[in-house]
Amino acid sequence: GQQVMQIPQYQHVQEGEDFTTYCNSSTTLSNIQWYKQRPGGHPVFLIQLVKSGEVKKQKRLTFQFGEAKKNSSLHITATQTTDVGTYFCAGRSTGGFKTIFGAGTRLFVKA
Amino acid sequence: DSGVTQTPKHLITATGQRVTLRCSPRSGDLSVYWYQQSLDQGLQFLIQYYNGEERAKGNILERFSAQQFPDLHSELNLSSLELGDSALYFCASSAGTSGQETQYFGPGTRLLVL
Repeated sequence: GQQVMQIPQYQHVQEGEDFTTYCNSSTTLSNIQWYKQRPGGHPVFLIQLVKSGEVKKQKRLTFQFGEAKKNSSLHITATQTTDVGTYFCAGRSTGGFKTIFGAGTRLFVKA
Repeated sequence: DSGVTQTPKHLITATGQRVTLRCSPRSGDLSVYWYQQSLDQGLQFLIQYYNGEERAKGNILERFSAQQFPDLHSELNLSSLELGDSALYFCASSAGTSGQETQYFGPGTRLLVL
């Protein structure tokens, strides 16, 4: 069945350092979504990528969708303490019915 | 506030018991999803309903069942509870079922089985 793997599981950074989380699917995806969950909160939608090779930016966040539509990444430039939380990718296989979430990358930012 | 409501917020019960979690989707959303999140774990997809019909099934145990009612609210029933069922249960809703809609998550129900 479809699997979505996300690495790393945890990342500790110093405030101001960059951060990247990677998402890899065992199957080709029709789209990929990214969500952020603050500690004690619920997942909140960040962005969706649909096209092969697509790159989208939201302020210090850069999202990429691979050419083969099987992987994606989220890069945060110059992390801030407000970036703390768990970042999930979620994708649906082409022709599939289920959106599968990755296990998430938990980001810790030290001031 | 996502517009998705879940009740109760917290639930403490004993092993072997049965509980019902309730979710009201955002106004206009037809799809409801249920997820289980154990401590410091990812989101395990349980089940999805669309306009009252089961749409997709994930790793939902046979002891668990769900339904979506004509007014589109949904209930997740957990029976013969075990210690390992302790987790945060999220409901999410979306407008449709193409997989390209945003999922809006509720605040979750924290279940503790003692």
